[in-house]
Amino acid sequence: EAQVTQNPRYLITVTGKKLTVTCSQNMNHEYMSWYRQDPGLGLRQIYYSMNVEVTDKGDVPEGYKVSRKEKRNFPLILESPSPNQTSLYFCASSFMSSNTYGYTFGSGTRLTVV
Amino acid sequence: DQQVKQNSPSLSVQEGRISILNCDYTNSMFDYFLWYKKYPAEGPTFLISISSIKDKNEDGRFTVFLNKSAKHLSLHIVPSQPGDSAVYFCAARANFGNEKLTFGTGTRLTIIP
Repeated sequence: EAQVTQNPRYLITVTGKKLTVTCSQNMNHEYMSWYRQDPGLGLRQIYYSMNVEVTDKGDVPEGYKVSRKEKRNFPLILESPSPNQTSLYFCASSFMSSNTYGYTFGSGTRLTVV
Repeated sequence: DQQVKQNSPSLSVQEGRISILNCDYTNSMFDYFLWYKKYPAEGPTFLISISSIKDKNEDGRFTVFLNKSAKHLSLHIVPSQPGDSAVYFCAARANFGNEKLTFGTGTRLTIIP
């Protein structure tokens, strides 16, 4: 089954404790991206990657890091999480120039930083 | 700076009637528009899209209309069914070639049986 898999689904952590949210896709997509969803703000892009070893900042990159060492994986790293990073996170992937369907999203990771 | 706006946070519609969800945008570089549907505890799923060279696209009960001069698009669902109850996001892509989608804030649609 074609899918984007995120782990974990739920995570509660403390301020300053480094964490990684994993994302993996099995569709051979070149493009991968991380979004966060917050009430009243919709989905905002954090980082994106157009291919292996090619990453760039989205609209809200502060406090996050990413890497793209393999085509299928795009982990999101929070080096020193803070409470304002409490949010619902989505990983997404697509083919480049995928006019018809846009992104395939993962099921989300609900992160709480206390 | 919200480039894609959904001004109605929520909408309630009687089952069987038409649901109309609206979306406005400000960036004239957007050339492709999509609607996503999101159920609780799931990721958004693609619903329907439209290119800026068209003004209408239809897929079963779902129709998207694009008015470029007004920078406005709408999603029509007819007839509305209880399973349509979800949050709907409007999204737009600029013709920069980087595949970035800019999303609106979402509209929660509730279909009343």
